[in-house]
Amino acid sequence: EAGVAQSPRYKIIEKRQSVAFWCNPISGHATLYWYQQILGQGPKLLIQFQNNGVVDDSQLPKDRFSAERLKGVDSTLKIQPAKLEDSAVYLCASSLDRWGHYGYTFGSGTRLTVV
Amino acid sequence: KQEVTQIPAALSVPEGENLVLNCSFTDSAIYNLQWFRQDPGKGLTSLLLIQSSQREQTSGRLNASLDKSSGRSTLYIAASQPGDSATYLCAVRGSRNAGNMLTFGGGTRLMVKP
Repeated sequence: EAGVAQSPRYKIIEKRQSVAFWCNPISGHATLYWYQQILGQGPKLLIQFQNNGVVDDSQLPKDRFSAERLKGVDSTLKIQPAKLEDSAVYLCASSLDRWGHYGYTFGSGTRLTVV
Repeated sequence: KQEVTQIPAALSVPEGENLVLNCSFTDSAIYNLQWFRQDPGKGLTSLLLIQSSQREQTSGRLNASLDKSSGRSTLYIAASQPGDSATYLCAVRGSRNAGNMLTFGGGTRLMVKP
C-alpha cells in the first residue's frame, strides 16, 4: 500500500511569512494527525482529525496555526505568521481507526526552517 | 498527563553487541505502545506494536516487551549492525479514559560502530 505522502520535503521562510504543508494519508485511514518535532525531541501532537472533524487540537497554537481536512482525505497545515521557534519537522500520520488499534503510519515529514 | 521517558538518550556500541533500549511511562492506563525508528532527516518507521493485553512482540532481531503495571517497555536488538544506527522512539497511546493521546518519548540515538 502507498504510504503517507507529505509535501514539500523542505521549506525555508523568513519570520512573519506564511507557509502551508500538505498531507495525503493512507487510503481508507479515517484518522489523520499532525505532529511537530523539534530537533532532539520526540514528536508532539498538534491536531487530530477523525474524517473531516477535529478530535483534538488542544496543543495547536491557534493564534498562528490552522489545519483543515475538508473532504476527510488529505489535509493542510498552515502557519501564519511564522516565528523562529516554529523551525521543526512537521510530521503527518494516519491510522485506520480513531484509537490507533492497528498502530500509526507516518510520512517523511516537512522540515521547516524559519530565518 | 502522560509522560514518556527514554533512557539512555544516546548509545554507542560495537557491531555485534546485543543491546536494550528502555522506555518508561507514568500512566499505566494505556491502549498500546509502539516502537519507531527514525533515520536522520526522515520520518518514522514503525518497528513493533504491542497492545496493552500483550507482553511482547518480536520481529527478526527485534523484541519488545511491555510491563504495563510498572510502566516500562524495553526494545531488545540482537547482534547489532551498523545499519541499525538511528534514533529509536517509543510512543504510548492512552486509553479511552486517559486522554487517548499518543505521547512520545525523547528517543534514544543509537550508533553501531563497524
